[in-house]
Formats: sequence, C-alpha cells, structure tokens
Amino acid sequence: GQQVMQIPQYQHVQEGEDFTTYCNSSTTLSNIQWYKQRPGGHPVFLIQLVKSGEVKKQKRLTFQFGEAKKNSSLHITATQTTDVGTYFCAGPGGPRSGGGADGLTFGKGTHLIIQP
Amino acid sequence: EAQVTQNPRYLITVTGKKLTVTCSQNMNHEYMSWYRQDPGLGLRQIYYSMNVEVTDKGDVPEGYKVSRKEKRNFPLILESPSPNQTSLYFCASRNGLGWSSLHFGNGTRLTVT
Repeated sequence: GQQVMQIPQYQHVQEGEDFTTYCNSSTTLSNIQWYKQRPGGHPVFLIQLVKSGEVKKQKRLTFQFGEAKKNSSLHITATQTTDVGTYFCAGPGGPRSGGGADGLTFGKGTHLIIQP
Repeated sequence: EAQVTQNPRYLITVTGKKLTVTCSQNMNHEYMSWYRQDPGLGLRQIYYSMNVEVTDKGDVPEGYKVSRKEKRNFPLILESPSPNQTSLYFCASRNGLGWSSLHFGNGTRLTVT
C-alpha cells in the first residue's frame, strides 16, 4: 500500500536560519497537502499541490511538488519563533488501500524547534 | 464560525468502560474522519465516512466503532477501551469534492488506565 515518508523527524535551527522538510511517496500522488500543527494544537491546512513540478509560495514558505509527483518539499526562509511546530505532508490513500481509499495518509511529520 | 467541535478535550477512564467521543461540524461537509496521533507514529486514520450512513475502516480500526446518522455528527465509540488506546484523537471533515483540505477539531486526549 501507499506510504508517505517524511524527513527529518526533528530539526533544530537558530532563529533566522532556513528550514526544509522532505516528503516521499511510494506511489505517484494525484495531489499532496501540507499541514502545520503548533504545540498543543491541531493540524491546520497550509496548501495543496496538484501539478507536476508545481511551486507555490506563501510569504517565507515555499512548497514544491516533484516532476514525478512522488515527492514534495517545504522550505522556510529565515525562520521565526512563530514557525515552531510540526509540519506534515499528506497524500491520498492509505497503507490498506493501495491508493484507492478516501482518506489521506500522513507522513510522520517534521518537528521544527527554533532556538532564539 | 466554521468549525469542528470535539468533546471532551480530556478524558481519563479505566479499561473496559465504554466511552464515546463526540464530533460535530457546522460546514455541511460530506466527509468526516477520525485520526489518532501517537509519538513517532504521526496521524493514523481510524474510520471515515463519505456521507450519512456510509462509513468505512481506515488504517487502524480495531477496537473502535463509528456511526453517521446525521451529516453533522460523527461519534467515535470505544466499546471496551484498553490502555493501548491511550492517545490523542482528532476528528476532521472536508467537503466531498475531490481532495479538498481537512478541517480538524481541537483534539481529545484520552488516557485509559
């Protein structure tokens, strides 16, 4: 079945440094979504990528979808303390479904820890 | 305000005592889902529902039941909770069109002793 792998699991950065998290799927994805979860909070939708090679920006955040639609990345430029949290990627389908289910499979997330 | 509401936020119970976690959304979403979140394992789907009276298993359904009698409500039922069901639970909803974004509730932290 479909699996979504996300690295790194943890990332410590100094405030002002850049941060990148990577997401890889075992199968081609129709789309990929990114979510952010603040400490003690719930996941909040950030963006969805659909097209091969797509790049989208939200202020200091840059999201990319690979040409083969099997990988994606989130890059944050000049991190700020407000960026602290866990970033998840998610793709359609699940381990039991082989990609045909109606759920999202989430990566395990990257915990971003920022040292002032 | 558009939201997904879960109750309770915190719950401590004992092994074998049936419990229900409620979930309600006010966005008229067709799709609703339950996830559990555990350290190192991320978010795993328990059950989902495409519409009223339509439910299906996610990736970790064992020990859980759900029902979808009304569009807005999707309760999660643990008939006989066990300590391995201690976790953080999230309800989420989205509209039924394609792969729209998920809206999550605030979570329910369940401890089974």
